[in-house]
Amino acid sequence: DTAVSQTPKYLVTQMGNDKSIKCEQNLGHDTMYWYKQDSKKFLKIMFSYNNKELIINETVPNRFSPKSPDKAHLNLHINSLELGDSAVYFCASSQTWTSGGYEQYFGPGTRLTVT
Amino acid sequence: TQLLEQSPQFLSIQEGENLTVYCNSSSVFSSLQWYRQEPGEGPVLLVTVVTGGEVKKLKRLTFQFGDARKDSSLHITAAQPGDTGLYLCAGQETSGSRLTFGEGTQLTVNP
Repeated sequence: DTAVSQTPKYLVTQMGNDKSIKCEQNLGHDTMYWYKQDSKKFLKIMFSYNNKELIINETVPNRFSPKSPDKAHLNLHINSLELGDSAVYFCASSQTWTSGGYEQYFGPGTRLTVT
Repeated sequence: TQLLEQSPQFLSIQEGENLTVYCNSSSVFSSLQWYRQEPGEGPVLLVTVVTGGEVKKLKRLTFQFGDARKDSSLHITAAQPGDTGLYLCAGQETSGSRLTFGEGTQLTVNP
């Protein structure tokens, strides 16, 4: 069974277009995340939702808008795509521990290429 | 945002050699996690260390959390080609659920 799934796996689009990436987790976790991994493999957090509430909102362009319809889903919509948006986008989820641990489970990634 | 420096950035060794990867910060983390990422896949959690000075072993991999909870190391004994991958350390900030990732160490183990 897939724990964290993302669609699509690959996304090739032109500058100026609007696109969405979907993420679902079946682990019963209460927190979900979006990360961007650049060409140097640096993984940077973009957003985090806990029980459908936005709790982390990094400094990303407001062309990026996350939406969490329920605890198991976190989608990422990107407007007016730019060349610099090309990267691999990872969804992840974790469960809040009372001890404070946040071990994260990652999806397989969506490779976005903007031409 | 707390920063994590990971070294070395690239490491290419022969099968059977030992290696150590370091993860350092000037900030205190409530826990530190190590992930391995293979091409075309997401990072996979290897271990979490929580207590200062903690040592955890996973087969040939030994993870250590510094006494002050500011740094960590990953030691691999007798590396094998299957150990090849991108190793990422990630510190959990004391203020909440945010994970700060290091820049990664790309390990290649040649047969």
